[in-house]
Amino acid sequence: EVQLVESGGGLVQPGRSLRLSCTASGFNFNDHAMHWVRQVPGKGLEWVSFISWNSATIGYADSVRGRFTISRDNAKNSLYLQMNSLRVEDTALYYCAKEQAGPTRVTTGFDYWGQGTLVTVSS
Amino acid sequence: SALTQPPSASGSPGQSVTISCTGTSSDVGGYNYVSWYQHHPGKVPKLMIYEVTERPSGVPDRFFGSKSGNTASLTVSGLQAEDEGDYYCSSYAGSNIFVFGTGTKVTVL
Repeated sequence: EVQLVESGGGLVQPGRSLRLSCTASGFNFNDHAMHWVRQVPGKGLEWVSFISWNSATIGYADSVRGRFTISRDNAKNSLYLQMNSLRVEDTALYYCAKEQAGPTRVTTGFDYWGQGTLVTVSS
Repeated sequence: SALTQPPSASGSPGQSVTISCTGTSSDVGGYNYVSWYQHHPGKVPKLMIYEVTERPSGVPDRFFGSKSGNTASLTVSGLQAEDEGDYYCSSYAGSNIFVFGTGTKVTVL
């Protein structure tokens, strides 16, 4: 059974940092790209970041580029999101999501999602 | 920018509802990498359609995806009570960038 478990969320002041983690199991983590997606409570989904299976290719939404850094450790089946210079508008539930496509495809959708970890940025 | 979806759509049980997802030639119109997600409150999003028209195993064939130009569409036929929820489109936008739609709340009357 595929499982994605996020952790690391919490309450943080504006300008501070936070590191989210996502631990994966039930599939060959090495073979799949991963994403971070966030949702402000009561609002829509917003794609945040992407990392390819081998970390060679990375992408960020304009809203987080330069402040957030995505990374992964395939030996630990883990995905990370380092969030610096946090802003009030970064407050959201952060999901990690598995890319359905294998290494040779661009994307075939996000087929498994974690339950999310809540990040609250407030003074 | 987020892809544009209507805020709401509705239909009676057994009827059909179609949700549009409008982007640009840089995302929806430029790639056949449109996905659709169903999201029930308190649950995680579920992949319903990928690559514009493809259904993952387990998704009923009542869900049909299509695309014309810069607009993708999701049609749900034979509406059932469990189809009620929020639906989001998503598209690849090149250069390892992805974008979601604004979301559509589907109500089964």
